[in-house]
Amino acid sequence: DQQVKQNSPSLSVQEGRISILNCDYTNSMFDYFLWYKKYPAEGPTFLISISSIKDKNEDGRFTVFLNKSAKHLSLHIVPSQPGDSAVYFCAARPLRETSGSRLTFGEGTQLTVNP
Amino acid sequence: DAGVIQSPRHEVTEMGQEVTLRCKPISGHDYLFWYRQTMMRGLELLIYFNNNVPIDDSGMPEDRFSAKMPNASFSTLKIQPSEPRDSAVYFCASSFPSGTDYGYTFGSGTRLTVV
Repeated sequence: DQQVKQNSPSLSVQEGRISILNCDYTNSMFDYFLWYKKYPAEGPTFLISISSIKDKNEDGRFTVFLNKSAKHLSLHIVPSQPGDSAVYFCAARPLRETSGSRLTFGEGTQLTVNP
Repeated sequence: DAGVIQSPRHEVTEMGQEVTLRCKPISGHDYLFWYRQTMMRGLELLIYFNNNVPIDDSGMPEDRFSAKMPNASFSTLKIQPSEPRDSAVYFCASSFPSGTDYGYTFGSGTRLTVV
């Protein structure tokens, strides 16, 4: 049972345009969401997060939007740069989980930004 | 701190052989996680430890998989006997308890190929 789902395995955009990566979740207990970025031969690294008390969080070129009623979040990258080409993982957890910061990840989306 | 250190980076082994993956977490982190990355399921949680104690091993696919954490600075994931379907990238991650924005710090992974 995939509780966090990224339906697009890949996305290709032109440099300078907007990249939009989508993520859906099914577990209503999730209330903290993170995006990780992964380059080849490296481990995933934290990019940006959002808690359920917000519907938007922005950090430079990266913005994450959360729609709790739809159980959907998206990552916007504007403008996209070739260096953004990587696999992006969406992850979620219950904010007040007592058993540790256990994250549930999606399948990942390969973003390719073409010069 | 050098981050989460995994070894080996690459492992090629024959079906039926025993494989041992190693992980050194970040000093002071009291949670350690083992994940497996596959195309179909993304990052799957196999097992995680808190203060060296296994908390949840429900993600371990079969009895052929076992994990230990003899002390705060070392963990192993063992597959015995290995099978071709175990081929994947295995990541170790460590973290403080809930409350941190960035979740986990991942190692660079071990790419396992079973032939």
